[in-house]
Amino acid sequence: DAKTTQPNSMESNEEEPVHLPCNHSTISGTDYIHWYRQLPSQGPEYVIHGLTSNVNNRMASLAIAEDRKSSTLILHRATLRDAAVYYCILRALIQGAQKLVFGQGTRLTINP
Amino acid sequence: NAGVTQTPKFRVLKTGQSMTLLCAQDMNHEYMYWYRQDPGMGLRLIHYSVGEGTTAKGEVPDGYNVSRLKKQNFLLGLESAAPSQTSVYFCASSYFGGQPQHFGDGTRLSIL
Repeated sequence: DAKTTQPNSMESNEEEPVHLPCNHSTISGTDYIHWYRQLPSQGPEYVIHGLTSNVNNRMASLAIAEDRKSSTLILHRATLRDAAVYYCILRALIQGAQKLVFGQGTRLTINP
Repeated sequence: NAGVTQTPKFRVLKTGQSMTLLCAQDMNHEYMYWYRQDPGMGLRLIHYSVGEGTTAKGEVPDGYNVSRLKKQNFLLGLESAAPSQTSVYFCASSYFGGQPQHFGDGTRLSIL
């Protein structure tokens, strides 16, 4: 499985943008880049995903490098509720099922 | 909609006991997954199902069995619990293999 590398932790201030980086230098051409986050004592929550082009949704934006070896999750205006562990995952398909391989993620702290 | 519901939320077992964890989803999803999360780690896939009546092994299947007799339910069984199976167990579901997964809030299982 292709691996992802993320910083263990990051810190930001409320109402400021946050850029969460992810390196995936061994990504294959068919791997989608997924981001999930996990709030304390909860299950992971889907944030966004993409293949080659940048993507936007109501929660965040995903910027994908042209060579696809790295990506950045952008939270445009962080709130205290965005404090969570953020996982960058390369999706691989096995027999049609989506296999998500979770790393240790980035623990994001938001300061008031 | 309840989404993905896991039962029970907490359980303490003795070594050698058996138990079944229940996952129910009301979104008519085809695919269902069982993960485990150990302290400070990301999630690891135990078993998954691509439809009613089907099951398949994930990354860490040893010591677990699963069944998908009804589309909305996915059961995870521990036949003879071991301390190494102390973990938080998450169930997830998705429409199809390429779609985002929706997670339950987890079952916290301690084996003494």
